[in-house]
Amino acid sequence: EVQLVQSGAEVKKPGESLKISCKGSGYSFTSYWIGWVRQMPGKGLEWMGIIYPGDSDTRYSPSFQGQVTISADKSISTAYLQWSSLKASDTAMYYCARLKGNIAGGWFDPWGQGTLVTVSS
Amino acid sequence: QSVLTQPPSVSAAPGQKVTISCSGSSSNIGNNYVSWYQQLPGTAPKLLIYENNKRPSGIPDRFSGSKSGTSATLGITGLQTGDEADYYCGTWDSSLSAPVFGGGTKLTVL
Repeated sequence: EVQLVQSGAEVKKPGESLKISCKGSGYSFTSYWIGWVRQMPGKGLEWMGIIYPGDSDTRYSPSFQGQVTISADKSISTAYLQWSSLKASDTAMYYCARLKGNIAGGWFDPWGQGTLVTVSS
Repeated sequence: QSVLTQPPSVSAAPGQKVTISCSGSSSNIGNNYVSWYQQLPGTAPKLLIYENNKRPSGIPDRFSGSKSGTSATLGITGLQTGDEADYYCGTWDSSLSAPVFGGGTKLTVL
């Protein structure tokens, strides 16, 4: 079974750093792009960026460029999303998802279960 | 403001049919495949439709997708209370060089 399992919920203070993870299993992790999607409370889906674990080629949405860093460790089939200095406005659910098909015109399947990040003083 | 426009909400009675629209432009829907996702309350999104009208295995044929020009439509027949969820369309935007999503549509089965 193809599966993406994300790390658990986090509660952080403004200014703290954070790295959340997304572990893939049941498929060739290095052969598919992994994307990250933000969902703020009560809001829709926003694409943040995407990484190809095979060669670590990474693309960012302009809205998130410079705000987060996406990386991957193919030796343990895990992708990461990290912040160096969290803000209250980073409070959201974060999903990873595998991209099938071409990067332009592909679709996300499956999705991880989500990681809730709460940033509060 | 989402690049793709969906109605905020739709509703219908159990057993009835509903359609959800997704409107875009030539830089996205007009020249790229559309996918649809279902997000049940408190859960992660799940793929319903890919490449405009294809269903992954396990998705019942009550769900269908279509595309015409710069718009796409998700259809759901034989509505069940378990279909109550948020539905999102998605595609690639060639101008942004990025995947884009619609704002989501909340389906209520009355």
